[in-house]
Amino acid sequence: KAGVTQTPRYLIKTRGQQVTLSCSPISGHRSVSWYQQTPGQGLQFLFEYFSETQRNKGNFPGRFSGRQFSNSRSEMNVSTLELGDSALYLCASSFAGGQTTYNGYTFGSGTRLTVV
Amino acid sequence: SQKIEQNSEALNIQEGKTATLTCNYTNYSPAYLQWYRQDPGRGPVFLLLIRENEKEKRKERLKVTFDTTLKQSLFHITASQPADSATYLCALENSGYALNFGKGTSLLVTP
Repeated sequence: KAGVTQTPRYLIKTRGQQVTLSCSPISGHRSVSWYQQTPGQGLQFLFEYFSETQRNKGNFPGRFSGRQFSNSRSEMNVSTLELGDSALYLCASSFAGGQTTYNGYTFGSGTRLTVV
Repeated sequence: SQKIEQNSEALNIQEGKTATLTCNYTNYSPAYLQWYRQDPGRGPVFLLLIRENEKEKRKERLKVTFDTTLKQSLFHITASQPADSATYLCALENSGYALNFGKGTSLLVTP
């Protein structure tokens, strides 16, 4: 079956701009979560969605937002980009998330965002 | 605060040897612990999950142990191969559908 698809793969934006990243989960998976990965901080949780509802949000400023559609596809948006937002943004999907995820999470290849 | 610590230094071993990676955690009472592999520029790939009532779990050349008293998990790769070279991450899940990851340990297997 197809894996988790993230688009675009690479993105270069200017400070102050906004960006939208897309994630298509594995068919049948209803939980989608987003992570930011930087060399200094490692992988950090951004938010998680299940059936179009945000169930949890990490410790990131309000400039980071997301949503999930009825087909489980998800988008995340970052407004007023800062240099420090340069990172690899990863999306992960699972059937239901949480303590029922005994088979782990499936990650996409990520979107590499560079802010200049 | 909750912390997950992995060997920050890279681990270099010779092909055929066993690699052992450590994951220590504090202020967690996890029901299970997960291990992932990550290659440069790619997303993590799930390897193994071990539950709190399981002392050890195996999958092919991989073995994971979980000691909830020591708050530690060990990850072993036996008969290591150059293709095993990657960063290995341990992760714990909190009650809020979020994975918390260690910073990872970089493994280099040389022929």
